[in-house]
Amino acid sequence: DIVMTQSPLSLPVTPGEPASISCRSSQSLLHSNGYNYLNWYLQKPGQSPQLLIYVASNRASGVPDRFSGSGSGTDFTLKISRVEAEDVGVYYCMQTLETRRVTFGPGTRVDIK
Amino acid sequence: EVQLVQSGAEVKKPGTTVNISCKVSGYTFIDFYIQWVRQAPGQGLEWMGLVDPADGETIYAERFQGRVTITADTSTDTAYLELSGLRYEDTAMYYCAKGNNWFAPWGQGTLVTVSS
Repeated sequence: DIVMTQSPLSLPVTPGEPASISCRSSQSLLHSNGYNYLNWYLQKPGQSPQLLIYVASNRASGVPDRFSGSGSGTDFTLKISRVEAEDVGVYYCMQTLETRRVTFGPGTRVDIK
Repeated sequence: EVQLVQSGAEVKKPGTTVNISCKVSGYTFIDFYIQWVRQAPGQGLEWMGLVDPADGETIYAERFQGRVTITADTSTDTAYLELSGLRYEDTAMYYCAKGNNWFAPWGQGTLVTVSS
């Protein structure tokens, strides 16, 4: 299976400041079609996960433009340009290059300092 | 609006079987896979498997092979997850989600508690 790692695992943030989460995969997630099959989710407290970014850099419908995704191959980054209080929760990266063996990162807990 | 509505919480004894439903609305059921993901208390997300409602094809995570069955009923636009041989460590929130290469939206979750 493709192993996903994230850093940091805990991220205290200050509202209005930027934040960044790294996700790395044990194998390249770049498909021959040119897409990187890496997605980002946010699970707010007490809620189901919600899609933020798909295929590495595309914002999902309704996601504020302060969220952005980048990267290719094995190294990916989720950036929040200016953190807001409503952004607290656990952020997960997930690979779907291997449809039969979808795997998630361990999660990064973001909370307000 | 696309919605996935799951069945209610379950309490099960070890060794028994749980069946969770996921009724979808707001889109054409056969156009996208239904994925199942679980989350143990305080833990991360774990993918269990998927069903393609168009033809019923399923793919299961290796660790659940032999214990999990995922089905789709196109007459009611409902997907089902059946997990047998329940163990205490199967206590978790179980989610269904729509999607092939990315999952959105997700159902509200079904809490399964395995307790004697």
